[in-house]
Amino acid sequence: QKEVEQNSGPLSVPEGAIASLNCTYSDRGSQSFFWYRQYSGKSPELIMFIYSNGDKEDGRFTAQLNKASQYVSLLIRDSQPSDSATYLCAVVPSGSARQLTFGSGTQLTVLP
Amino acid sequence: DAGITQSPRHKVTETGTPVTLRCHQTENHRYMYWYRQDPGHGLRLIHYSYGVKDTDKGEVSDGYSVSRSKTEDFLLTLESATSSQTSVYFCAISERLGAEQTQYFGPGTRLLVL
Repeated sequence: QKEVEQNSGPLSVPEGAIASLNCTYSDRGSQSFFWYRQYSGKSPELIMFIYSNGDKEDGRFTAQLNKASQYVSLLIRDSQPSDSATYLCAVVPSGSARQLTFGSGTQLTVLP
Repeated sequence: DAGITQSPRHKVTETGTPVTLRCHQTENHRYMYWYRQDPGHGLRLIHYSYGVKDTDKGEVSDGYSVSRSKTEDFLLTLESATSSQTSVYFCAISERLGAEQTQYFGPGTRLLVL
């Protein structure tokens, strides 16, 4: 069983809509969670991180964490075509503070 | 790219030849990583380093070796390249983000093994 699971997509949403990206993880001891955005042909770039249960907002992005359900999500409000990319969920596994385990990513397309 | 460069950016090679990829960083980061990225697999850790001459294996280390003789350089070597090693290779560094650590990536190297 993969340690970090994401729906591969593709996920398509119309411009202006809310895009919801989901991630589940198997390591109950994980404490830190990151979302990376990766445009086609480019390297991953960090866009959000969350450590505590609940919501964290940064501009149009909201990360949500539920440790009891081992679930982390990313909401993108007012989606723009420039948000079209692959979104990678990453988790710091317990006992490995300097490593990240990545999901395989969800491809998002925002339709004009 | 957090002061990270990778070379070469693109390489085509033949099966059985040795290949070395270089990652260079300018900000004195102690931890450095090599990942490969393939469709459907996301990013998978090959090797990482926690200091000069200090390295350890990751999830997919078979067929790869690394060296770190200077803080700024982390080399990934494919001793005898195979077609299954065709991939995009990313180098990363670890940097503090608040109370935690996260990783920032270099621009990547596209490797095609024929």
